[in-house]
Amino acid sequence: KQEVTQIPAALSVPEGENLVLNCSFTDSAIYNLQWFRQDPGKGLTSLLLIQSSQREQTSGRLNASLDKSSGRSTLYIAASQPGDSATYLCAVAWGTYKYIFGTGTRLKVLA
Amino acid sequence: DTAVSQTPKYLVTQMGNDKSIKCEQNLGHDTMYWYKQDSKKFLKIMFSYNNKELIINETVPNRFSPKSPDKAHLNLHINSLELGDSAVYFCASSQDTEAFFGQGTRLTVV
Repeated sequence: KQEVTQIPAALSVPEGENLVLNCSFTDSAIYNLQWFRQDPGKGLTSLLLIQSSQREQTSGRLNASLDKSSGRSTLYIAASQPGDSATYLCAVAWGTYKYIFGTGTRLKVLA
Repeated sequence: DTAVSQTPKYLVTQMGNDKSIKCEQNLGHDTMYWYKQDSKKFLKIMFSYNNKELIINETVPNRFSPKSPDKAHLNLHINSLELGDSAVYFCASSQDTEAFFGQGTRLTVV
């Protein structure tokens, strides 16, 4: 069964810290993996997309890596800011028509 | 210019009613989706359509009927609403790669 797990479920850090969010998935034959951010009561904002042939993607202070063989992806946030506080969701596609989401990591960055 | 737009944003209705949620994307994507986010914030796929054809139906009750009049639209009609249907419903679209989501429709059944 194709499943996506995210740990930790919640994380609270002081401003300025570098942090790592984890996403693990069963079945390494993925099509792509996407990281999203969701603010309370809002929709999903796409952060980074990693194709199955890629190892990592970077956007500003965000870096996402992909290790298919171990079924893991990590989202690295450098120099965290209070504005980074949100829920971060990992979604894995095992084909072009279906994304399976993890349960998310709720991040709070304290000023 | 919103890429994926849903209407309405909020919907409060009584049990037993029938309601529709509309979704439109202006990205030219071939694939559209409906996802349900429950009270625990878990997102689960309901349907996916490609070029107006149903591709995936994730064992959703047949009270839920998606309709895609064209590639840019995927509407969701729900019959005989139940309390358990209360959730946030998200529409999304993609074209082989990155998926884009709408802002969600918060459905409350009372």
